[in-house]
Amino acid sequence: KQEVTQIPAALSVPEGENLVLNCSFTDSAIYNLQWFRQDPGKGLTSLLLIQSSQREQTSGRLNASLDKSSGRSTLYIAASQPGDSATYLCAVPNSGGSNYKLTFGKGTLLTVNP
Amino acid sequence: GAVVSQHPSRVICKSGTSVKIECRSLDFQATTMFWYRQFPKQSLMLMATSNEGSKATYEQGVEKDKFLINHASLTLSTLTVTSAHPEDSSFYICSASLIGVNTEAFFGQGTRLTVV
Repeated sequence: KQEVTQIPAALSVPEGENLVLNCSFTDSAIYNLQWFRQDPGKGLTSLLLIQSSQREQTSGRLNASLDKSSGRSTLYIAASQPGDSATYLCAVPNSGGSNYKLTFGKGTLLTVNP
Repeated sequence: GAVVSQHPSRVICKSGTSVKIECRSLDFQATTMFWYRQFPKQSLMLMATSNEGSKATYEQGVEKDKFLINHASLTLSTLTVTSAHPEDSSFYICSASLIGVNTEAFFGQGTRLTVV
């Protein structure tokens, strides 16, 4: 059974810092890995999707890497801003194909202080 | 990205009543949608897979008679919490993805259900 772990559970940084969020998964036979952002009481916003054949993906100040063999992914946030404060979740699918189930980590609660 | 809309965003109901939550894919068709549940400070847990035109598939431990799922069209799935109890209070979120191989999953805004 796939298990996803995220470290740290919470992180508080001053504005402007670069930071790294970690995600690990037990079954390396994944098809992709997705990072999400969740604001309090809200749904999930997809940030980045990395296919299993890729090593990293970038979107603006966000960069996600994937090391499938070691079962790890990192989300790098450059020049953090207060608006980045949210819970960040990583998730992997239980199988390939279209419309697949996801297994989520518990998330990292990020607070960026002005 | 694709848009998944969920309604209502927040609902309060009395114990014993039923509540219906709608999940719509606004700009694409989804033969399959998923319903998740999230407890405070916990991860999202998959409840069931909603299949258009056929019965939903429930995860182990999820009562199918308690959580009724209907996927009547390619753009709409509904989750009905029947005879709600306070322990059903939670955050419910649906998701869908575009047809294709290993595509992104898009999520609704979620529904905060409080049973009093």
